[in-house]
Amino acid sequence: TAGITQAPTSQILAAGRSMTLRCTQDMRHNAMYWYRQDLGLGLRLIHYSNTAGTTGKGEVPDGYSVSRANTDDFPLTLASAVPSQTSVYFCASSDGTVNTEAFFGQGTRLTVV
Amino acid sequence: GQNIDQPTEMTATEGAIVQINCTYQTSGFNGLFWYQQHAGEAPTFLSYNVLDGLEEKGRFSSFLSRSKGYSYLLLKELQMKDSASYLCAVMDSNYQLIWGAGTKLIIKP
Repeated sequence: TAGITQAPTSQILAAGRSMTLRCTQDMRHNAMYWYRQDLGLGLRLIHYSNTAGTTGKGEVPDGYSVSRANTDDFPLTLASAVPSQTSVYFCASSDGTVNTEAFFGQGTRLTVV
Repeated sequence: GQNIDQPTEMTATEGAIVQINCTYQTSGFNGLFWYQQHAGEAPTFLSYNVLDGLEEKGRFSSFLSRSKGYSYLLLKELQMKDSASYLCAVMDSNYQLIWGAGTKLIIKP
C-alpha cells in the first residue's frame, strides 16, 4: 500500500538554486497540503489545494510555489532557495471533509547551504 | 491571532497514565485533532473531537471543552513505544488546521 509518497527523502541544496519536492498520492483525495516543520514550532501550512486545478496560499507561502495539474500530484517548488528554507517538509492529503484525518508523506529533509 | 498551546515535554513511567493538555484560541472551531509523531517519522492520526466530552479509543482517550478552549489526550497503560511527540491541531473557520508545536513524551522504564 503506497498512500502518499514524497521524493526525495533528503537533499542538500546550494543557496540560490531551485528545487522541486515531489508528492504523489493514490487515495484519490481531493485536498492536498504542504507543511514545513521546524524545531519548536508547529506544522506551518505553505500552500494547499482543495481540488485539482486550484491552489491557495497558507501561512508561510513566500518563496514557494505549487501546482495541481491532476488529483494525484502536488509538487512544491523553491525558485531560489535560501538558508531559512532549511526544514522538514511534509506533504499531506485528505478527502476534504471536515472530520476526516489527513495522511502524511514520510517527509523531505531539506538543508540549504 | 490564532494560538495553540501544549507543554513542550513530559515524562512518565511505563505502565502509568499521562494526560497531555492543549489550549487553543482560534478564529472559529470545526474540530480538534490529535496526532502522534515518532522521531523522524510522519504524523499519524489519533483522534478527532468536535463535540464536548470524552472520546475513547483503546488505551487513548481525548476530551474536549469548547467553552474553555481546552482539550486533553489521555494515555493509559503506557508502553515504551508511546514515546513520541503528540500534536494538537484545531480546524478553524476557514477549515484550515492550526497546529500546536507538539508535546514530546518520554517514557521511562
